Amino acid sequence: TQLLEQSPQFLSIQEGENLTVYCNSSSVFSSLQWYRQEPGEGPVLLVTVVTGGEVKKLKRLTFQFGDARKDSSLHITAAQPGDTGLYLCAGTRNNDMRFGAGTRLTVKP
Amino acid sequence: ETGVTQTPRHLVMGMTNKKSLKCEQHLGHNAMYWYKQSAKKPLELMFVYSLEERVENNSVPSRFSPECPNSSHLFLHLHTLQPEDSALYLCASSQDGRSYEQYFGPGTRLTVT
Repeated sequence: TQLLEQSPQFLSIQEGENLTVYCNSSSVFSSLQWYRQEPGEGPVLLVTVVTGGEVKKLKRLTFQFGDARKDSSLHITAAQPGDTGLYLCAGTRNNDMRFGAGTRLTVKP
Repeated sequence: ETGVTQTPRHLVMGMTNKKSLKCEQHLGHNAMYWYKQSAKKPLELMFVYSLEERVENNSVPSRFSPECPNSSHLFLHLHTLQPEDSALYLCASSQDGRSYEQYFGPGTRLTVT
């Protein structure tokens, strides 16, 4: 079993729709990062959350860290084709960082 | 050049070949990492270097041999690979070995025939 479970594994939506992807674990993390990876490129860091219940906004993207620091969500409002990519979460505990398998998002024009 | 660069971007090699992957970071970071990314699997951390010393080796087969001559350069030497080693190999750097905000290069797409 994976330490971090991301859902859904695949998501295909139309431009303008809203969506939420999830990153869940039974473990408590000291911090959690979200990355986006576009085809043919490496992951790019979007945000780091460290406090339980923390909410961070990055334009149309809203990131939330669960109160117990075991899970996180990423909500995208009015998705655009440029949001297409693989969204990865990565959690850190005991100086050990692990990635989830990712959610592959496709936004169709 | 800015950020993290990797060469080559694509590599096809036979199982008896020897090749090397190169990574260079222009961010002034002190830690560098090698990851393996296979389809439908999480990123697998292979090696971690902090201040040019290897601090982590996650049970990687000896056919993968890392080298970190200075804090800006990282190599992955490959020899007698197997077809299952075909994957995207990503290099990353961070401010130090305890910083988990990592900056990735574009990766080398490796195919072993």
